Amino acid sequence: ETGVTQSPTHLIKTRGQQVTLRCSSQSGHNTVSWYQQALGQGPQFIFQYYREEENGRGNFPPRFSGLQFPNYSSELNVNALELDDSALYLCASSLAGALRDTQYFGPGTRLTVL
Amino acid sequence: GESVGLHLPTLSVQEGDNSIINCAYSNSASDYFIWYKQESGKGPQFIIDIRSNMDKRQGQRVTVLLNKTVKHLSLQIAATQPGDSAVYFCAEKGNNDMRFGAGTRLTVKP
Repeated sequence: ETGVTQSPTHLIKTRGQQVTLRCSSQSGHNTVSWYQQALGQGPQFIFQYYREEENGRGNFPPRFSGLQFPNYSSELNVNALELDDSALYLCASSLAGALRDTQYFGPGTRLTVL
Repeated sequence: GESVGLHLPTLSVQEGDNSIINCAYSNSASDYFIWYKQESGKGPQFIIDIRSNMDKRQGQRVTVLLNKTVKHLSLQIAATQPGDSAVYFCAEKGNNDMRFGAGTRLTVKP
């Protein structure tokens, strides 16, 4: 186990709704990254947070937003849900500035949009 | 755009045999690569990493080889076991993100 936890495990929403996913990083890590993994594909980078600020963003629209808190935990918010947002959402934590800033993943939140 | 890709979507091996999973990348400036294993219903699990100043790195039953000339890396699993059955991803670490390939599903036959 990596020590990265995510909640909830599963979630079902309808199109147009909003959702908030949560992530607690591994102890000692100060950076959280979020990924979207569609079925049968590799994870796609959404964004990264470091010291409570967005520190990089992938090719996702503004309705995907996030927060990082002083304890380094993080939230991913998605507004105006679309059917294609159905996926496994993964967060990964790492220690920025470390010699090996490897990202360690949580178990993910499975989001289904109906 | 530049991407990370895998040669084969599936690989089936006999228990006890060695497995080799290949990956190609296109960004010649990439300097850090990671292999992840993802079992059904779980998040990707770190296996081994390698930086561009190395050609080879070994872990427990796993070896990663990096050929910068042809922008290719491979993951070798020795004495493959049923517990190795999973999807394997190579990932290329950027400044703030990681780019993943589509994955190779490894199936180990008893």
